[in-house]
Amino acid sequence: DVKVTQSSRYLVKRTGEKVFLECVQDMDHENMFWYRQDPGLGLRLIYFSYDVKMKEKGDIPEGYSVSREKKERFSLILESASTNQTSMYLCAAWGADRYQPQHFGDGTRLSIL
Amino acid sequence: RKEVEQDPGPFNVPEGATVAFNCTYSNSASQSFFWYRQDCRKEPKLLMSVYSSGNEDGRFTAQLNRASQYISLLIRDSKLSDSATYLCVVRGRETSGSRLTFGEGTQLTVNP
Repeated sequence: DVKVTQSSRYLVKRTGEKVFLECVQDMDHENMFWYRQDPGLGLRLIYFSYDVKMKEKGDIPEGYSVSREKKERFSLILESASTNQTSMYLCAAWGADRYQPQHFGDGTRLSIL
Repeated sequence: RKEVEQDPGPFNVPEGATVAFNCTYSNSASQSFFWYRQDCRKEPKLLMSVYSSGNEDGRFTAQLNRASQYISLLIRDSKLSDSATYLCVVRGRETSGSRLTFGEGTQLTVNP
């Protein structure tokens, strides 16, 4: 079974800090994703990556960057955290098969004070 | 118009009821379709894929109507444990770099 691990379940940071959210998957999947989920807005895609060192912007990339130096690891970076980035962040991994589901990590509940 | 639209609910039904959720998608090139389930404060998990001919998994039946760009999920004999948010999910291109688009979810509460 695919395992997607996010480094922190809960995180509290201050405005202006640089924040790193880490995600690791153990199934050699090509595709990895970062979402945020907010009440009334559902899951929104921030960035995704379909290969090492490759990245594509999702729907809401502003204020975020990503890094994929190794296939198993996909990092989300908040360059200068702001209070409107307080949210639940979910990482997902996905193979290339047509009907293969995305597997999600447990999520990181991030609060920016 | 949103790419994937669902009735947000909430749906409140008694145990044993049959409940149906609907979902429409705007991109006619969409290739794959899924229903995910998300419990409160948990990550989304795959409930079932939706195949062109429709498919059933126990009490759950999924249907796809490509002409109308419409997906449905039917839950029969609802259980208390079915209480969750159900997400309609659509996949775009088949080539690498494709992505899933999630609906906002339909909240279901099954009452004793």
